[in-house]
Amino acid sequence: EAGVAQSPRYKIIEKRQSVAFWCNPISGHATLYWYQQILGQGPKLLIQFQNNGVVDDSQLPKDRFSAERLKGVDSTLKIQPAKLEDSAVYLCASSLPWDQMGEQYFGPGTRLTVT
Amino acid sequence: AQSVTQLDSQVPVFEEAPVELRCNYSSSVSVYLFWYVQYPNQGLQLLLKYLSGSTLVESINGFEAEFNKSQTSFHLRKPSVHISDTAEYFCAVSENSNDYKLSFGAGTTVTVRA
Repeated sequence: EAGVAQSPRYKIIEKRQSVAFWCNPISGHATLYWYQQILGQGPKLLIQFQNNGVVDDSQLPKDRFSAERLKGVDSTLKIQPAKLEDSAVYLCASSLPWDQMGEQYFGPGTRLTVT
Repeated sequence: AQSVTQLDSQVPVFEEAPVELRCNYSSSVSVYLFWYVQYPNQGLQLLLKYLSGSTLVESINGFEAEFNKSQTSFHLRKPSVHISDTAEYFCAVSENSNDYKLSFGAGTTVTVRA
């Protein structure tokens, strides 16, 4: 079974530029999550999708971050414009719809450096 | 809202020695508890979880954790570590009143030395 795929693995941009990250969850996983992991901290949930609908985006800085999952499969997270404090690893995870209390499967992450 | 505190940010340990990683949580309702592990250059993987039943849970690679409701703790232990256990370990909690969203601790880096 293929795991959660993310690309790119690394990205370096200057502040005020825009960037996009892509995630393809495990086949059949209806729930998809985007997390931000700042160095020295645990992952923080940015947004949760159930199929193509948003379940929770309360922690997403909506003035600069956006995310979509148009066909209920893969997802894109965008930052526009980027700030220095956005430097972090962006993790995508997915889970089965009936397994919300259980395991989330994580991708390898995208390490973003904003200079 | 739930929160998680991992009391040790770095734990150096010699091979074949025991290790304990401490995790405390705060929540006013029933919780589900998890330990995730992140090996170098890899994504997070579930190590073990407590949902209900026996308060002692075990992983396939020799780790165990005990849910202590009165102490609001979920400490992770291994009696004898290997070099391959070098990784970052994250404690996480979810609660049914928050749609089972995971809240993570800041992580504990375990470095096993020969």
